[in-house]
Amino acid sequence: QQQVRQSPQSLTVWEGETAILNCSYENSAFDYFPWYQQFPGEGPALLIAIRSVSDKKEDGRFTIFFNKREKKLSLHITDSQPGDSATYFCAASNGGSNYKLTFGKGTLLTVTP
Amino acid sequence: EAAVTQSPRNKVTVTGGNVTLSCRQTNSHNYMYWYRQDTGHGLRLIHYSYGAGNLQIGDVPDGYKATRTTQEDFFLLLELASPSQTSLYFCASSGTGGGARWLYFGSGTRLTVL
Repeated sequence: QQQVRQSPQSLTVWEGETAILNCSYENSAFDYFPWYQQFPGEGPALLIAIRSVSDKKEDGRFTIFFNKREKKLSLHITDSQPGDSATYFCAASNGGSNYKLTFGKGTLLTVTP
Repeated sequence: EAAVTQSPRNKVTVTGGNVTLSCRQTNSHNYMYWYRQDTGHGLRLIHYSYGAGNLQIGDVPDGYKATRTTQEDFFLLLELASPSQTSLYFCASSGTGGGARWLYFGSGTRLTVL
């Protein structure tokens, strides 16, 4: 049972375009949704995160839009740059005692110059 | 800057072999985690710990043991390695409270079981 789903599996955009990465989840108890960015040969690194009390979180060119009713969220990367080419993981957790994160399978983003 | 160091970086073993993957964090974090990453599966939690001597079972624990000897050190043990355990393994650490959900990952260990 996959609790966090991501789409598309891979995405190619031109430099300067907006990339939209989607994520959905099943567990209504999830209340924290981080996105991790992973470059080849490296471990994932936290990029941006949102709590379920918010519907939007912005950090520079990266914005999370969150729809609690539909259990969906999306990561928008505006003015995409070749350096943004990476795999992006959506994750989720609840405020339970273990703070365990459940990850999606990831979206491979390629930004073409 | 939080630091998580994994060793070795690459490891090749044979079926039935004994493997230990090491992880050390210098962040003074309470939580440590072992994940495996496979194409088509993303990151899956094997085991985790919230302190020295503590061990919690993750989502894909079969065939793996783990031990947390100190706050800094977390080991993943494969006592009878199988080809299905060929994977990229990541260790991570996190703090407590709200910081518990900000994971700092190491650079990974690529394990090949022949």
